Amino acid sequence: AQTVTQSQPEMSVQEAETVTLSCTYDTSESDYYLFWYKQPPSRQMILVIRQEAYKQQNATENRFSVNFQKAAKSFSLKISDSQLGDAAMYFCAYRTGGTGANSKLTFGKGITLSVRP
Amino acid sequence: GAGVSQSPSNKVTEKGKDVELRCDPISGHTALYWYRQSLGQGLEFLIYFQGNSAPDKSGLPSDRFSAERTGGSVSTLTIQRTQQEDSAVYLCASSLVGTGASTEAFFGQGTRLTVV
Repeated sequence: AQTVTQSQPEMSVQEAETVTLSCTYDTSESDYYLFWYKQPPSRQMILVIRQEAYKQQNATENRFSVNFQKAAKSFSLKISDSQLGDAAMYFCAYRTGGTGANSKLTFGKGITLSVRP
Repeated sequence: GAGVSQSPSNKVTEKGKDVELRCDPISGHTALYWYRQSLGQGLEFLIYFQGNSAPDKSGLPSDRFSAERTGGSVSTLTIQRTQQEDSAVYLCASSLVGTGASTEAFFGQGTRLTVV
């Protein structure tokens, strides 16, 4: 079974600075997808960024980028120019590339990010 | 609808009562997930429906929990004889699933269940 590990329960960053959130995963599959989701106090889970395992290039979405190290099974999220609105809980997630009943999303335990003004 | 809809948004129930939580996924989404999130904690997988495949029920914590998905659309999560430890936010998500597709899961806003 796949597992996703987020070992840091909390992090804090100064506004306008850069912060990196760590995530590692364990799988024997070669075809899979990785995601970072944001959950603000409103509870609404929002997709921040996704990465296809077959792509070597790291995904980037505006101020958000990932460092995907497939051999090391590492998938960290970098937030540049941090803003107060970035304060939330962030979850790393894994999904197999197959279809059918084995393609569920598996989440890490999450990390709470606070942004200091 | 435009997004995943869950009802009710909040539910307070007495210990021992049964509750039903509803999820309306995005139209056309074949995959539907239920997760449980205890206060300040991560997402605990409960059950996953994908098309006509048998659901993955491996995350259901006890036989008091069950879920069904009628007509490949609406899903209901039922908790029988509720206990205080069942208090949590129950999140539903749906997505498209296809070979080679990088599919995003869209979440509802959850049902906050409080067992008193």
